[in-house]
Amino acid sequence: KQEVTQIPAALSVPEGENLVLNCSFTDSAIYNLQWFRQDPGKGLTSLLLIQSSQREQTSGRLNASLDKSSGRSTLYIAASQPGDSATYLCAAPYNNNDMRFGAGTRLTVKP
Amino acid sequence: DTAVSQTPKYLVTQMGNDKSIKCEQNLGHDTMYWYKQDSKKFLKIMFSYNNKELIINETVPNRFSPKSPDKAHLNLHINSLELGDSAVYFCASSHQGNGYGYTFGSGTRLTVV
Repeated sequence: KQEVTQIPAALSVPEGENLVLNCSFTDSAIYNLQWFRQDPGKGLTSLLLIQSSQREQTSGRLNASLDKSSGRSTLYIAASQPGDSATYLCAAPYNNNDMRFGAGTRLTVKP
Repeated sequence: DTAVSQTPKYLVTQMGNDKSIKCEQNLGHDTMYWYKQDSKKFLKIMFSYNNKELIINETVPNRFSPKSPDKAHLNLHINSLELGDSAVYFCASSHQGNGYGYTFGSGTRLTVV
């Protein structure tokens, strides 16, 4: 069974700081790992998808890494902005049937 | 043009009622899902449908029944609603189940009173 854990549960930083969100998963036989963003009262938006053959993926100020052997992924956000405030969710596939989600990290970036 | 659309966005109903939530996707995906997000914001898979066939059913009470008339639609019917059913329900779709093209609807906030 795929279980996804995210640390920390909440994070508050001043604007401009670089930060790292952590994700761990129990079943390393995955095709990919995905990071999503959820704004309050909204659905989920896909940020980055890392293929199992990749070590990392970048989009703008976001960089996600994947270490299948240790069952870990990190999401690095550079030069954080107040607009980055949201909940960030990590998801890993299970049995090629669906994605299993962590509980998320609620990020607040203070101006 | 909305890729994954759910209706209604909000639903308030009394205990014991039966209600349905509709979902449609125009992405040509072959797999659709229902997730439940509880008050602690934990997102949990309920059902997955691939080409109109149920391929997963995670320990969900049988009061919940998904119905897929075609691969672009996956509706969720709930019988005898209980207070604990209050949550946000998200529909999603993808190419197969392994994460590619995973797209979520905006959610239906269900409140049972």
